[in-house]
Amino acid sequence: SQTIHQWPATLVQPVGSPLSLECTVEGTSNPNLYWYRQAAGRGLQLLFYSVGIGQISSEVPQNLSASRPQDRQFILSSKKLLLSDSGFYLCAWSARQGAGNTIYFGEGSWLTVV
Amino acid sequence: KNQVEQSPQSLIILEGKNCTLQCNYTVSPFSNLRWYKQDTGRGPVSLTIMTFSENTKSNGRYTATLDADTKQSSLHITASQLSDSASYICVVRAPLQSGGSYIPTFGRGTSLIVHP
Repeated sequence: SQTIHQWPATLVQPVGSPLSLECTVEGTSNPNLYWYRQAAGRGLQLLFYSVGIGQISSEVPQNLSASRPQDRQFILSSKKLLLSDSGFYLCAWSARQGAGNTIYFGEGSWLTVV
Repeated sequence: KNQVEQSPQSLIILEGKNCTLQCNYTVSPFSNLRWYKQDTGRGPVSLTIMTFSENTKSNGRYTATLDADTKQSSLHITASQLSDSASYICVVRAPLQSGGSYIPTFGRGTSLIVHP
């Protein structure tokens, strides 16, 4: 069966510090990968998606970046965090072909920038 | 611009009662619509998926309806339980301009609280 893991689950970082959230998917090949952010009381905002290794598309301009060094690994990074980067970050995957494929989410990472 | 609007924003009901959540979308062309349940602090989990030709689909006490002409969907919860307390998110899929993959549009969700 397929599983998705993301870590860390919770972190508190000072303003200006770097960030690295990691996500891995197991049990499938060539998945579409996504990073979402959910601010308190807000909906899910798509940050990045990837259809293959090294292929990253950004949905919103920000000081975050994403990388896909391996087929089932997706990393969210920042060189200098802002207070507004605080939120709940979700990694997700779906099968490559077909619009009907379910999006499976990880457990999320709570980021608080202080 | 593709949008998904959900109402109400929040809802409080007593255990055992029924409720209906609404979703209106402007996503076009339309591929499919899903309802997700998101428990606090967890990732969303898919409840139902509906394609253009489907009008209603049930998953236990959850029943989703879809009117593709008016671009509206509803999620009806029957005999609510305390464990139904969660955020319910409507997600609509439309094809990307390129790549052959599909990016969904998420609603902001309806926060449901079930009181004993």
